[in-house]
Amino acid sequence: QVQLVESGGGVVQPGRSLRLSCAASGFTFSSYAMHWVRQAPGKGLEWVAVISYDGSNKHFADSVKGRFTISRDNSKNTLYLQVNSLRAEDTAVYYCVKVLASGSYRDAFDIWGQGTMVTVSS
Amino acid sequence: DIVMTQSPDSLAVSLGERATINCKSSQSVLYSSNNQNYLAWYQQKPGQPPKLLIYWASTRESGVPDRFSGSGSGTDFTLTISSLQAEDVAVYYCQQYYSTPPYNFGQGTKLEIK
Repeated sequence: QVQLVESGGGVVQPGRSLRLSCAASGFTFSSYAMHWVRQAPGKGLEWVAVISYDGSNKHFADSVKGRFTISRDNSKNTLYLQVNSLRAEDTAVYYCVKVLASGSYRDAFDIWGQGTMVTVSS
Repeated sequence: DIVMTQSPDSLAVSLGERATINCKSSQSVLYSSNNQNYLAWYQQKPGQPPKLLIYWASTRESGVPDRFSGSGSGTDFTLTISSLQAEDVAVYYCQQYYSTPPYNFGQGTKLEIK
């Protein structure tokens, strides 16, 4: 079945970096745009970043622009989020998300991973 | 950026009764070229990731019970649960995916049993 499995989260000091990964299975990964969405403890959902199916287009939330990078390896069916210069306010569960239809990233989010927790603390 | 505002923030409804959640966007999410509203609804239960309920403002995702329905166009949208069941207790979010990102979510509406 369609599945997204995130990894790479953990406890990290302010200013440090992490690379989050999302392993996809059960669908043609290379045909779908992918997003990252995060949720701080007890808070709502915050859209973070998107990458087009072929990696040619990327967009970021203003809150992470210049610090986070999104990439994908379609040969490995894996999505990445490089998170640099981490701040306390980046503490959240980070979800990898697939869009409903192939091609465009302007679409609803139909498959969500279970998330990986990033805690930024000294 | 398009700002999404939900109302109310929380809601308590008796079992079997109707629950209504509203979502307002700061600008229209109706795309004139295809007459589609780029608006989705999600349900999130404690400890779980969100689940897609409704897309294109009114299209129910496969497997979603038909007591869930979405309506509205342009800037004003509604999620209706026609007969509340115990398993519907959750936080509900609307989201727009119109034009270029960011694809912002509403702040969420917490639905409880009265």
